[in-house]
Amino acid sequence: DVKVTQSSRYLVKRTGEKVFLECVQDMDHENMFWYRQDPGLGLRLIYFSYDVKMKEKGDIPEGYSVSREKKERFSLILESASTNQTSMYLCASRGTGEPPYEQYFGPGTRLTVT
Amino acid sequence: DAKTTQPNSMESNEEEPVHLPCNHSTISGTDYIHWYRQLPSQGPEYVIHGLTSNVNNRMASLAIAEDRKSSTLILHRATLRDAAVYYCILSMDSNYQLIWGAGTKLIIKP
Repeated sequence: DVKVTQSSRYLVKRTGEKVFLECVQDMDHENMFWYRQDPGLGLRLIYFSYDVKMKEKGDIPEGYSVSREKKERFSLILESASTNQTSMYLCASRGTGEPPYEQYFGPGTRLTVT
Repeated sequence: DAKTTQPNSMESNEEEPVHLPCNHSTISGTDYIHWYRQLPSQGPEYVIHGLTSNVNNRMASLAIAEDRKSSTLILHRATLRDAAVYYCILSMDSNYQLIWGAGTKLIIKP
């Protein structure tokens, strides 16, 4: 079974702190994604990566950056956390090949910025 | 961008079939239709997908209208564990990014 793990289930940070959210997948998937989920808004794509060291902006990249130094790991970075970044953050991975491969999600990190 | 429209919530009785509708009137010819669900306190999980023909798997069935402007996810015999938010999603472009809506909250009554 594919497993996507996220470093924390719950995180509380202060405004202005630099925050790292880590995601690891164990299925050798090329594609990895970071979403945020807010009530009534569904999932919104922040960034995705289709290969090591490659990244593409999603719909809401402002205030975020990402890093993918190894195939299995995709990190989301909040350079200076703000209260409007309080949200549920979900990581996903997906293989390539015959479309459309399903996305496998981690359990999510609920981030609170105070 | 092609978008989907789903009811905000639906209720059903345990052990009865459930039909979850989705409208996607602006779907393009190459868009796949995906269904995911999100159980409480978990990340979303894949349920089923299709392009033109009806599809069945161990979790559900997907019925796609002939003009592809709508689809229906069918849970043949709902259990309490099927209570979740169900998302109908279209994939687009070569990276097959998923465009998520607000989904339908399915409530199962015992």
